[in-house]
Amino acid sequence: KAGVTQTPRYLIKTRGQQVTLSCSPISGHRSVSWYQQTPGQGLQFLFEYFSETQRNKGNFPGRFSGRQFSNSRSEMNVSTLELGDSALYLCASSWEGGSNGEQYFGPGTRLTVT
Amino acid sequence: GENVEQHPSTLSVQEGDSAVIKCTYSDSASNYFPWYKQELGKGPQLIIDIRSNVGEKKDQRIAVTLNKTAKHFSLHITETQPEDSAVYFCAASKNSGGYQKVTFGTGTKLQVIP
Repeated sequence: KAGVTQTPRYLIKTRGQQVTLSCSPISGHRSVSWYQQTPGQGLQFLFEYFSETQRNKGNFPGRFSGRQFSNSRSEMNVSTLELGDSALYLCASSWEGGSNGEQYFGPGTRLTVT
Repeated sequence: GENVEQHPSTLSVQEGDSAVIKCTYSDSASNYFPWYKQELGKGPQLIIDIRSNVGEKKDQRIAVTLNKTAKHFSLHITETQPEDSAVYFCAASKNSGGYQKVTFGTGTKLQVIP
């Protein structure tokens, strides 16, 4: 079974621009969560989507948004990029989310904002 | 909210020795505790997990113990090998309003010296 895939793997953007990252979960998994990973803050939860609905959200500004499609693929968007948005963005999929399901992470998208 | 503390932040061991990483959590409602291994340039990989109705779980050289009363859980790696060198994250998860709420520890960088 193929793992979680994320595209692109690397991205360089300029402050003020916007960016869209994509995540394809493991086949059959319906929950997709997004995390931001930085050396200083560790792994921070952005949001979770389940059956095309956002059902959980972390403490990030409204510039961070996401969506999920009927095939469970998910995208996250960051508008008006700031230097502090430079990070590794990880998505994780699970069958149903919650503590009943293990999460499997993708390789991440390394975003650099200059 | 949940708070997960992880110690130590760095750990160096000689090849063949054991390594122990400890985590404490604050929310007694947490009932699922996964451990992840993250190698350089990759996303976190689920290596073992334990649920609140179990006190110990073992998978070859890796074991996890859980003390619900004390609210702490530990990862034990025996007969360490150079390929065990990575950053390890613990996490505590609970169901909250029908969705998952996962809190990660800050990570432990394990170095196995050949």
